[in-house]
Amino acid sequence: GENVEQHPSTLSVQEGDSAVIKCTYSDSASNYFPWYKQELGKRPQLIIDIRSNVGEKKDQRIAVTLNKTAKHFSLHITETQPEDSAVYFCAADNFGNEKLTFGTGTRLTIIP
Amino acid sequence: DVKVTQSSRYLVKRTGEKVFLECVQDMDHENMFWYRQDPGLGLRLIYFSYDVKMKEKGDIPEGYSVSREKKERFSLILESASTNQTSMYLCASSPGLAGLVGELFFGEGSRLTVL
Repeated sequence: GENVEQHPSTLSVQEGDSAVIKCTYSDSASNYFPWYKQELGKRPQLIIDIRSNVGEKKDQRIAVTLNKTAKHFSLHITETQPEDSAVYFCAADNFGNEKLTFGTGTRLTIIP
Repeated sequence: DVKVTQSSRYLVKRTGEKVFLECVQDMDHENMFWYRQDPGLGLRLIYFSYDVKMKEKGDIPEGYSVSREKKERFSLILESASTNQTSMYLCASSPGLAGLVGELFFGEGSRLTVL
């Protein structure tokens, strides 16, 4: 099955700076790569996703890039704010079905 | 707004007890999932269901079973709870649009402690 590795496990960034979280996946048939944000004590929520026919997608301060050849994708957050502090999970689908495999998570802390 | 409701936020059970975790979604979604969340391990899929009475094993099904008698309800069952099943359990649903993997909508989670 699919295997997703996520780095770093923790990340501290000065408010206003950028943050980058990276993931690699093993299954070349994977086509869907979402990112979920989980604030403390809350449920995970989708913040952005990308499909394999696209190399980059942006939504205001967040962007995701995908390199299918190298089998890695990254989350970029610019102009970080205190409310960006959370745990972020990347994920990939398995052979195109609904079963997502998640990374182990990155705890992002924004330092005021 | 999609609502996924898990019946119990916190449970404390004893080793060997049978445990039921209930999940209900109100958006007529086809797919439902049970994940387990542990620090440093992320979210791991236990079971999922893409239709009533249908179920498929995820990555860590051992020690668990599931039931989906109605489209809106997906139950996780621990037949004989063990201490290594102490964890946060997250239920999720997704629309199940044909041929397109989509967004997961999660419940608030059920934190289970097995003594």
